[in-house]
Amino acid sequence: DTGVSQDPRHKITKRGQNVTFRCDPISEHNRLYWYRQTLGQGPEFLTYFQNEAQLEKSRLLSDRFSAERPKGSFSTLEIQRTEQGDSAMYLCASSLSPPLDRVGEKLFFGSGTQLSVL
Amino acid sequence: SQQGEEDPQALSIQEGENATMNCSYKTSINNLQWYRQNSGRGLVHLILIRSNEREKHSGRLRVTLDTSKKSSSLLITASRAADTASYFCATDYRRIIQGAQKLVFGQGTRLTINP
Repeated sequence: DTGVSQDPRHKITKRGQNVTFRCDPISEHNRLYWYRQTLGQGPEFLTYFQNEAQLEKSRLLSDRFSAERPKGSFSTLEIQRTEQGDSAMYLCASSLSPPLDRVGEKLFFGSGTQLSVL
Repeated sequence: SQQGEEDPQALSIQEGENATMNCSYKTSINNLQWYRQNSGRGLVHLILIRSNEREKHSGRLRVTLDTSKKSSSLLITASRAADTASYFCATDYRRIIQGAQKLVFGQGTRLTINP
């Protein structure tokens, strides 16, 4: 399977615990994104990596959230001291940056990690 | 909020009929994309249309973009049961072209195709 893979698919945790999610993008893609989606809503941008550099973070990403992409390949998203409001689907997407004279690129999404905080 | 809005929020039609979904947005965009999401799964890219384009086709899909009205539509012709999913429009509002696109997604249209 050469698509974007995310692990785990589901995570149930108690409030106050730390959780970590992993994303393996399509191998030749240099861009990696994290989005969060709650029930009945569209995905919301969290953060973005170009290779190993984290270039942008949303205001949605509080200090309890941290993301890494250490070698420009897989990425991890950690949530510390989870709260019930963190319950959501966490989606990872990857893409290949387009040529300089082109605008926009399509994102390839993983199946997501569904987090439930009790 | 710069979020796009899809209309209708839910649509139920018979197999074989055409389905039309609309998306409106608030500010100038670089491109607009449509994605499909099956229940509990990730999103699948359908079509990207740039701000200087007015219409694009892909198989049974037809997307139009009217920048003067700040709106787009997605038409699925000859619908099939497998088209049952949520459909999202996503817009790229960036002023600076270089760098990642920060797609802003709408709330989606839940499409049900009845056999």
